[in-house]
Amino acid sequence: DAGVTQSPTHLIKTRGQHVTLRCSPISGHKSVSWYQQVLGQGPQFIFQYYEKEERGRGNFPDRFSARQFPNYSSELNVNALLLGDSALYLCASSLATGGGIGETQYFGPGTRLLVL
Amino acid sequence: GEDVEQSLFLSVREGDSSVINCTYTDSSSTYLYWYKQEPGAGLQLLTYIFSNMDMKQDQRLTVLLNKKDKHLSLRIADTQTGDSAIYFCAFLLGGFKTIFGAGTRLFVKA
Repeated sequence: DAGVTQSPTHLIKTRGQHVTLRCSPISGHKSVSWYQQVLGQGPQFIFQYYEKEERGRGNFPDRFSARQFPNYSSELNVNALLLGDSALYLCASSLATGGGIGETQYFGPGTRLLVL
Repeated sequence: GEDVEQSLFLSVREGDSSVINCTYTDSSSTYLYWYKQEPGAGLQLLTYIFSNMDMKQDQRLTVLLNKKDKHLSLRIADTQTGDSAIYFCAFLLGGFKTIFGAGTRLFVKA
């Protein structure tokens, strides 16, 4: 079975631009989460979406937004890019069975974003 | 609060056991995880433990949980050079988001 897939793998943007990152969850998984991993740190939670609704949001500015589609895939959008947005953006999916082991998150390979 | 602390580096010789330690703050966590990240890659779920368990063994991996002290450890037996990676301790918070530590960089010397 295919795992979580993300596109693109790498991206270079300049300050002020916007970016869209894409994620497809594991088949059967209904929830998608986005994390930002800055070099040398652990992943930081940005959003979780379940059944197209935002289920939770981390401490990130409104420049970050996301959405989930009927096929459970998801997009992360970042507007007005800053140098500090350079990071590995990880997508994770889970079964989302209302708590318990079904909430365990499985990660994709990430999209590496460089903002110049 | 939401916090996970791990030591940053660990160096072991091939064939020895590695023990990676972690402390966390949230006592309501139901599941605690160990993830592995190799250079340039995403996170691979290694193992997890439910909060009402003290120990879980999975082949070369042993997870110990001391809930009273909020301490989690991962022991890798017979460590190999392929085990060189960053290991993240994490816990499930609020039923849906995962809180990660900064990661422990494991170096395995041949």
